[in-house]
Amino acid sequence: DAKTTQPPSMDCAEGRAANLPCNHSTISGNEYVYWYRQIHSQGPQYIIHGLKNNETNEMASLIITEDRKSSTLILPHATLRDTAVYYCIVRGTQGGSEKLVFGKGTKLTVNP
Amino acid sequence: DGGITQSPKYLFRKEGQNVTLSCEQNLNHDAMYWYRQDPGQGLRLIYYSQIVNDFQKGDIAEGYSVSREKKESFPLTVTSAQKNPTAFYLCASSRRVDYGYTFGSGTRLTVV
Repeated sequence: DAKTTQPPSMDCAEGRAANLPCNHSTISGNEYVYWYRQIHSQGPQYIIHGLKNNETNEMASLIITEDRKSSTLILPHATLRDTAVYYCIVRGTQGGSEKLVFGKGTKLTVNP
Repeated sequence: DGGITQSPKYLFRKEGQNVTLSCEQNLNHDAMYWYRQDPGQGLRLIYYSQIVNDFQKGDIAEGYSVSREKKESFPLTVTSAQKNPTAFYLCASSRRVDYGYTFGSGTRLTVV
């Protein structure tokens, strides 16, 4: 089972910031938070990941709460092409059989 | 450019026939994965392989088989034992110490 909980859908106006929440209350100390997105009928695309500190790259920012039980993915200026399903996933740093477990994600619709 | 290639993009199969989906990567990644996605659903893990000549069952392995004879290749066979094979199939790879996944563009299998 997925270790994360996300709202099933969200809407955002084009040009505004999109803030996508994720709850991962059972996350353990060595587990990273990963975000992927999937545009219809394509393979998921990596966005960003983090452990404790907030992270930023050219696509998005990731804000992780101090207790690490939740996080928020921020798309600072959403465009129509950001319409996709966004998956929040936790994964450990140990090797071996660690694998990504996907939930149903959040369907983000960016409106003109 | 490095990447992961799935072929074919669309595949049609008659009931009772086995079919093999191809997945090739030139990223020098150790681990490879097969996921299945049904409409409106998240991804479910079929099989994964952490190293050549070794693989493990995922959550929905029944009716599927894989091989990992080369690091670059991880083909998936959908056998006639799979009762509902029509789905979108995604292959992914990752390095063992870098836990981001790279996904292929997927194969859409339809049983006719």
